[in-house]
This record gives sequence, C-alpha cells and structure tokens, in this order.
Amino acid sequence: EVQLLESGGGLVQPGGSLRLSCAASGFIFSSFTMNWVRQTPGKGLECVSSISGSGSTHYAESVKGRFTISRDNSKNMVFLQMNSLRAEDTAVYFCAKDRSSAHWGQGTLVTVSS
Amino acid sequence: DIQLTQSPSSLSTSVGDRVTITCRASQPISKYLNWYQQKPGKAPKLLIYAVSSLQSGVPLRFSGSGSGTDFNFTISSLQPEDFAIYYCQQTYSSLITFGQGTRLEIK
Repeated sequence: EVQLLESGGGLVQPGGSLRLSCAASGFIFSSFTMNWVRQTPGKGLECVSSISGSGSTHYAESVKGRFTISRDNSKNMVFLQMNSLRAEDTAVYFCAKDRSSAHWGQGTLVTVSS
Repeated sequence: DIQLTQSPSSLSTSVGDRVTITCRASQPISKYLNWYQQKPGKAPKLLIYAVSSLQSGVPLRFSGSGSGTDFNFTISSLQPEDFAIYYCQQTYSSLITFGQGTRLEIK
C-alpha cells in the first residue's frame, strides 16, 4: 500500500524558514517524480515544486529562488526547504506521487504570520 | 506556465442531474489532462487520467473527453457523495498546473 506522510509544518514568522519532509512507502520510490502541492485556505491547488526520480527539479515562479526541493532515494524521502517565507505562503502543503497523482499525503499546515 | 480555465466556477445541481464541467488550456496539451475530486479536509482524489481513462475503483458515471485545448468532464447522474470541488490538471509541461476548481453545490 502506498503511503505518504508529511511533517515539518508549523507557525513561522515572515522571512523565516521551514523544512518540510515527506516519507514514502509501498512503491519503488526512486522511479517516480514527487511533487509538493499547496492549497491556500479556501483556494485552489498550486504545484510549487517537483523532482524527478533522477533529481531534475522544477519550481513555480511564485517560489523560485526561495524554495528548494530535494530527495533521498536511500531513505524514500522528499524534502522542501522553504526560505524567506511570506504571508502568502500560508497553506496546506501536500506531497503527491507521480505527475498524475493517485496518491497524496494528508497534508501539513504552514502558517506564516507575525 | 500553462493556464487552465475551468467553467463554471460553481454549479447548483440536484441528485440525478447530468453535469458537465469544461477545462480550457492556454495552449495545446495533447492528452495530458486529468480530473480530480476534492472534499473538505481531504487530499484530492484522481478520477480520470489522460483525458478519458477512469482511475481504478471510480464509478462509471464519471467520464472525460476532449483534445488539444478543450476538455470536458461529465457526471452522468449525480449522487449525494458527488457534491465536492473538481479540478482539472495538466501534466504536459514540466511543472504541472491545476484549474481553479468547480464547486458542485446542492440546489
């Protein structure tokens, strides 16, 4: 059974940093692209970053230069390092497996506020 | 980035109705178009991938069609559990993007 478990969310001040983690199990992790998708309260879905199995990365313009995605295929984990956080980064962050995502984590809430 | 525009943004409907949602892409995306359902407090659920392929376990009342830039998602006969928000998603470009969502509400 595929399982994705996010952690690392919380309350952070504007300009601060946070590192999200996603632990994956139940599939050959290194073979799949992993995505971080966020959802602002009451709003839609935005893929902020993705990383292929071989490590190619992509970022939304809204986070380029501030967020860094990485993965550790030996530990079946994907990470999102978020720096220079802004109020508009407040959202639930999901990790999702593959580009057509049949499997998602439960989400972790990031709140950027003073 | 490829923009996806869904219409309508919301729809007031009744159990048993036939419902169609449209998704228009800002450029041709071939067959790289998926549809998701999301309920409050839950992660999105993949219903249809590659325009018209039904994800395993998804009821046959859900269907998709289209090509190029214009796509449709149809629920043939709405059930009570179908009242939710529906999103289209393109996987043609390097960074996937979603439509803004269509909320199905009970009339």
